[in-house]
Amino acid sequence: DAKTTQPTSMDCAEGRAANLPCNHSTISGNEYVYWYRQIHSQGPQYIIHGLKNNETNEMASLIITEDRKSSTLILPHATLRDTAVYYCIVRAPRSGNTGKLIFGQGTTLQVKP
Amino acid sequence: ETGVTQSPTHLIKTRGQQVTLRCSSQSGHNTVSWYQQALGQGPQFIFQYYREEENGRGNFPPRFSGLQFPNYSSELNVNALELDDSALYLCASTEAGGYSTDTQYFGPGTRLTVL
Repeated sequence: DAKTTQPTSMDCAEGRAANLPCNHSTISGNEYVYWYRQIHSQGPQYIIHGLKNNETNEMASLIITEDRKSSTLILPHATLRDTAVYYCIVRAPRSGNTGKLIFGQGTTLQVKP
Repeated sequence: ETGVTQSPTHLIKTRGQQVTLRCSSQSGHNTVSWYQQALGQGPQFIFQYYREEENGRGNFPPRFSGLQFPNYSSELNVNALELDDSALYLCASTEAGGYSTDTQYFGPGTRLTVL
């Protein structure tokens, strides 16, 4: 079972910031938070990941709360091409594990003109 | 583009047949994971290969099997196909084996339809 909870769907206006929340209240101290997205019928695309500090790359920013029980993915200026299913994944710890990704249902983000 | 390629893109089989799906990992990546994604669901982990050995398996029956070759490419074989095997099959490659924090990069998938 997925260890994360995400809203089923969200809308965002084109050009505005999209803030996608994720709850992971049972996260362990050494588990990372990963975000992927999947545009219809394509393979999931890696976006960003983090452990405890906020992270930023060319695609997005990841804000993790101090207690690490929740996080927010921020797409600063959403475009129509950002319409996709966004998955928040808590990555299994390192020792003796494949690091398999456990996907939940994700959040369907619809960016509207 | 991740550099992970899969073939074929689409495939139609009938119940009871066998199928082989192929995956070429990104250059420098020695670990390949396979996932099954049914319509409307998130991907489900099938198994992972590292250095030509199975390195972990999800809740899939033995008729799902795989191989990894010395060039790190991989095959997924499914025997005795069932209607519920209809899905998008995804492979993902990782740079280093056995480290759970290494990022997995996905290919475009193979759409399998079982009639």
